[in-house]
Amino acid sequence: DVVMTQSPLSLPVTLGQPASISCRSSQSLVYSDGNTYLNWFQQRPGQSPRRLIYKVSNRDSGVPDRFSGSGSGTDFTLKISRVEAEDVGVYYCMQATDWPPFTFGPGTKVDIK
Amino acid sequence: QVQLVESGGGVVQPGGSLRLSCAASGFTFRNYGMHWVRQAPGKGLEWVTFIQSDGFNTYYADSVKGRFTISRDNTKNTLDLQMNSLRGEDTAVYYCASDIMTPFDYWGQGALVTVSS
Repeated sequence: DVVMTQSPLSLPVTLGQPASISCRSSQSLVYSDGNTYLNWFQQRPGQSPRRLIYKVSNRDSGVPDRFSGSGSGTDFTLKISRVEAEDVGVYYCMQATDWPPFTFGPGTKVDIK
Repeated sequence: QVQLVESGGGVVQPGGSLRLSCAASGFTFRNYGMHWVRQAPGKGLEWVTFIQSDGFNTYYADSVKGRFTISRDNTKNTLDLQMNSLRGEDTAVYYCASDIMTPFDYWGQGALVTVSS
């Protein structure tokens, strides 16, 4: 199984400042079709998960452009250019390249300092 | 717009059974694969099972294999999860999620399953 790790697990941020979350996979997430199936999800308190980013760097519809994804192979990053209050929650990376099983990272809790 | 609405959650004793449903609307359900993902209280996300669009190919996490069965009715636009031999560690919110354009693009609001005596 592909193991997903994230760092940090807790990220206190100042409003208006940038934030960055790292995600690493235990093996390359490049699929045979050339795509890399690495997603990022946001889960606000008391809500369902919402996908923000798919295939490493593609923002879902309605996702603010302050969110961006990057990376390749086994190392990936989610960046928030300027954190807003509504960004508080837990962020998960997830791989959909080598399945089953589909595997999620442990989550990074973002809150305001 | 895409809507996924789970139902059927509740309290069940260890060893018991429960069936969850997910009603889908806003897209051509029969064309897309569907997942169940769960989240134990205060914990992270765990993929449970996946069914392809035609219903013939299914996949399970090792933790539920042989106990849970995923199925779908493409005439009624519904996804089901039959859960048997339930254990305390199955206590979680269960979400259905779709693969309409790309994997896990839409999620439901979740259904809480509590396994307790």
